[in-house]
Amino acid sequence: DQQVKQNSPSLSVQEGRISILNCDYTNSMFDYFLWYKKYPAEGPTFLISISSIKDKNEDGRFTVFLNKSAKHLSLHIVPSQPGDSAVYFCAASSNGSGNTGKLIFGQGTTLQVKP
Amino acid sequence: DTEVTQTPKHLVMGMTNKKSLKCEQHMGHRAMYWYKQKAKKPPELMFVYSYEKLSINESVPSRFSPECPNSSLLNLHLHALQPEDSALYLCASSQRLAGGSTDTQYFGPGTRLTVL
Repeated sequence: DQQVKQNSPSLSVQEGRISILNCDYTNSMFDYFLWYKKYPAEGPTFLISISSIKDKNEDGRFTVFLNKSAKHLSLHIVPSQPGDSAVYFCAASSNGSGNTGKLIFGQGTTLQVKP
Repeated sequence: DTEVTQTPKHLVMGMTNKKSLKCEQHMGHRAMYWYKQKAKKPPELMFVYSYEKLSINESVPSRFSPECPNSSLLNLHLHALQPEDSALYLCASSQRLAGGSTDTQYFGPGTRLTVL
């Protein structure tokens, strides 16, 4: 049972335009959500996160939106750059009582930004 | 500074070898993690150490043996591995704050392991 889903395996965007990556989750106990970027043969790099008490968090070109009622989050990258081409993983955790530190990852979305 | 270092970067070993992977962080984090990642798949949790104690073992075969000598170091001892164990092994660390707080995991660059 996949608790975190990224339904789009790939996304192609023109340089300078907006990239929108989507993620859905099923477990209502999740209260912290993260986005990681991964280049081939490297470890995931933390990009941005959002706590369930917020609906938006912004850091430079990256903005994450959380819709708790829909159990949906999205990552917006504006403007997209060729260097953003990578695999993006959405992850979720439950940091309440009984926190195990376990991150649940989505399957990833490969973003290609064309010059 | 959010750096987690891992050595070696690449490792090739036979099925009868014994080897170790090493991970180090100097961020004062009190939780450290081992993940395994196969191509085109998300990272898969193997072990969690919290305050130097093993808190999660995700039913990993005993040919993988973790060790946390101190709060900055994490090792993964490998023995009698199978070719299907070939993967990218990732270490991560996090602050491990008290319940209710956000806890971000920072990953190292990984060790690319090939078992012949």
